[in-house]
Amino acid sequence: SQKIEQNSEALNIQEGKTATLTCNYTNYSPAYLQWYRQDPGRGPVFLLLIRENEKEKRKERLKVTFDTTLKQSLFHITASQPADSATYLCALPVDNAGNNRKLIWGLGTSLAVNP
Amino acid sequence: GAGVSQSPSNKVTEKGKDVELRCDPISGHTALYWYRQSLGQGLEFLIYFQGNSAPDKSGLPSDRFSAERTGGSVSTLTIQRTQQEDSAVYLCASSLARLGSGGREETQYFGPGTRLLVL
Repeated sequence: SQKIEQNSEALNIQEGKTATLTCNYTNYSPAYLQWYRQDPGRGPVFLLLIRENEKEKRKERLKVTFDTTLKQSLFHITASQPADSATYLCALPVDNAGNNRKLIWGLGTSLAVNP
Repeated sequence: GAGVSQSPSNKVTEKGKDVELRCDPISGHTALYWYRQSLGQGLEFLIYFQGNSAPDKSGLPSDRFSAERTGGSVSTLTIQRTQQEDSAVYLCASSLARLGSGGREETQYFGPGTRLLVL
């Protein structure tokens, strides 16, 4: 069955550095991949979507890459700030019962940016 | 504009009682999803509503769980005869269109969740 893996270890970096988070998947080829941010006690918030035919997507200080050969997406935050501290989740669509799809989610990687 | 809202924000109940969790999606969003998130676990898909189509209930963990969506808007997740293992955060999300329709319309907007504790 389809599986998503994100680095389980929390990532601690210094303010101003680039944070890089990894999302690996196995056993299928998703049409796209999404990244969300989740703060404690809140629901996830959508950040970026990258499609299988896109190598890279940028939004302000965020950059996502998608390597369908390696079955991996990298999520970068440049010039990181303490306000970027959160858990980052990746999600991929899989075909579900009938003509439906559902998203499957990684467990998330906790990022702490130290001032 | 208003986002997805959920109520109650917290619920403590005794084992064996029934609970109802409510979700108000973003106006105009045709798709609505319920997830469960336990400590240290990923988001677990429960059920999905799309317009007037039959809901996708494939993620419901047992027949104690059910959900309705009235008038294509508000949804209620009901857990009967709650068990301690039902304790989790229950998240609702809505999107403009169903997954597979393509584009940003598939982005899911989440509510703040209901924290359920079964004693």
